[in-house]
Amino acid sequence: NAGVTQTPKFRILKIGQSMTLQCTQDMNHNYMYWYRQDPGMGLKLIYYSVGAGITDKGEVPNGYNVSRSTTEDFPLRLELAAPSQTSVYFCASSYNYGYTFGSGTRLTVV
Amino acid sequence: DAKTTQPNSMESNEEEPVHLPCNHSTISGTDYIHWYRQLPSQGPEYVIHGLTSNVNNRMASLAIAEDRKSSTLILHRATLRDAAVYYCILREKQIGTGANSKLTFGKGITLSVRP
Repeated sequence: NAGVTQTPKFRILKIGQSMTLQCTQDMNHNYMYWYRQDPGMGLKLIYYSVGAGITDKGEVPNGYNVSRSTTEDFPLRLELAAPSQTSVYFCASSYNYGYTFGSGTRLTVV
Repeated sequence: DAKTTQPNSMESNEEEPVHLPCNHSTISGTDYIHWYRQLPSQGPEYVIHGLTSNVNNRMASLAIAEDRKSSTLILHRATLRDAAVYYCILREKQIGTGANSKLTFGKGITLSVRP
């Protein structure tokens, strides 16, 4: 099993550009999450999903959008990139008690 | 969400036991105590969780105080690979759709291991 796969691993965006961070899991987990982690800080929840077709906002959703058309995929969309969105983004999935995290996407907005 | 309090950092020697404390004085009866760790440049990984009784697995042990207001993650024999940020997190018991299944991360405790 690959677990949770995130692409790309690194990306530099210019202010105002848009991009989609991809997240795929092969464990048939219902729950999926997007977190961001700023330097020296803990993770903050952006959006989450409890199943295909169901998404909800987390702690810091502004500037982001998500969709969940399949159990496997949970992409995160940045429409108008801003310097404040420079961060490391982690996708995770869970079935019961334990989360499985991806290796992260390091995004820099200049 | 109920909050946890952890020291900012701790140092240990390789091959010695490590006790990482966590205070959660406002824990409710349905909160599970979860521990995750994050190695440098990686995503967090699940370590262990418990409700009331002490728990053991291949990675660590979790000792929970009788009043549940504190807990301790025990690494029985620290290795250099155990150097990481360790997060103590309270998570509500999943009910129904699991809408309350989110994890809220604090800053965690940074563990350094000396050779």
